[in-house]
Amino acid sequence: DAKTTQPPSMDCAEGRAANLPCNHSTISGNEYVYWYRQIHSQGPQYIIHGLKNNETNEMASLIITEDRKSSTLILPHATLRDTAVYYCIVRRYNNNDMRFGAGTRLTVKP
Amino acid sequence: DTEVTQTPKHLVMGMTNKKSLKCEQHMGHRAMYWYKQKAKKPPELMFVYSYEKLSINESVPSRFSPECPNSSLLNLHLHALQPEDSALYLCASSRQTGSTEAFFGQGTRLTVV
Repeated sequence: DAKTTQPPSMDCAEGRAANLPCNHSTISGNEYVYWYRQIHSQGPQYIIHGLKNNETNEMASLIITEDRKSSTLILPHATLRDTAVYYCIVRRYNNNDMRFGAGTRLTVKP
Repeated sequence: DTEVTQTPKHLVMGMTNKKSLKCEQHMGHRAMYWYKQKAKKPPELMFVYSYEKLSINESVPSRFSPECPNSSLLNLHLHALQPEDSALYLCASSRQTGSTEAFFGQGTRLTVV
């Protein structure tokens, strides 16, 4: 599976959009991009995933570049409860080999 | 029911003890995972079971012994652990096929003394 690179930390003001980037330049055609987050001392929580089209759900939006080498997770109106470590994972279809990179520690500030 | 339940939530064990961690899900998922997470580090994949058979073993020491007795249950048997094995142990499950998300339990906080 392709490796991912994320900035180690980011800050965001409460109520503003949080844009979290992920680089996955070695992604192959059958690999999906998944985002999870982990709030302190809890299990990771699934947020969203996509293959090549942009995706949106009640939690976030996922923007994947046309060449699929990078993506951005957007939390449209960040709250203090969104403070967490966000992990971008690339994973092949029908594959259970799910590994976490270092992630981005997002701090939402009042 | 979209829960993965892990028991116990906390466990303190001596280096000569034998204990087990338990994970349960009732979502019909046929893939189940164990991860180990040290403080301020990402979860590290340990084992993956697919249709109750071990499909991935990340060269985990034999003092950790996984077991999947049925499609809803996953155990991790612990024996002769070292203090450096102290960590948060996370269980997850997912559908076996397709592009599917994984559901995680809240973990067992293990301390080896």
